[in-house]
Amino acid sequence: EAGVAQSPRYKIIEKRQSVAFWCNPISGHATLYWYQQILGQGPKLLIQFQNNGVVDDSQLPKDRFSAERLKGVDSTLKIQPAKLEDSAVYLCASSLARDRERSQYFGPGTRLTVL
Amino acid sequence: AQSVTQLDSHVSVSEGTPVLLRCNYSSSYSPSLFWYVQHPNKGLQLLLKYTSAATLVKGINGFEAEFKKSETSFHLTKPSAHMSDAAEYFCVVSVSGTYKYIFGTGTRLKVLA
Repeated sequence: EAGVAQSPRYKIIEKRQSVAFWCNPISGHATLYWYQQILGQGPKLLIQFQNNGVVDDSQLPKDRFSAERLKGVDSTLKIQPAKLEDSAVYLCASSLARDRERSQYFGPGTRLTVL
Repeated sequence: AQSVTQLDSHVSVSEGTPVLLRCNYSSSYSPSLFWYVQHPNKGLQLLLKYTSAATLVKGINGFEAEFKKSETSFHLTKPSAHMSDAAEYFCVVSVSGTYKYIFGTGTRLKVLA
């Protein structure tokens, strides 16, 4: 079974530029998550989708971050404009809706450096 | 509100000796608890999960964890450390009803030759 795919793996941008990350979840997983992991910290949930609807985006900085999940499969996370403090690893995860424990499976992440 | 506390930010053990990574949780409900491992430049991998079916949970790579309700703990153990176990370990609680994950701050395990 293929895992969660993310691209790019690394991205370096200047502050105030925009950037987009892509995630393809495990086939059949209805729930998709985006996390931000700052160096030395645990991941923090940014947004959670159930199919193509948003379940939780309470921690998403909506003035600069946006995310979408068209057709309930792939998802993109965008930052516009980027700030220095956005430097982090952005992790995508997915889970089966019918798994009571909702075990989450993570992709390799995208490491963003904002200069 | 649910939360987890990982009591040690760094743990060093010698290869072949036991590993103990400590995690305490706070939850108003019967929690779902997980341990994940993160190797450098790799994604998070699920080690094991507590599903309320059994208090002693066995995971991959020889790891296991015991759920102790009276102590609100979910410590991760392994009888004999291997060099490949060196990584960051995260204890996670799932928020009841939403399945939202709350991560601990992580414990970095170092294995000495």
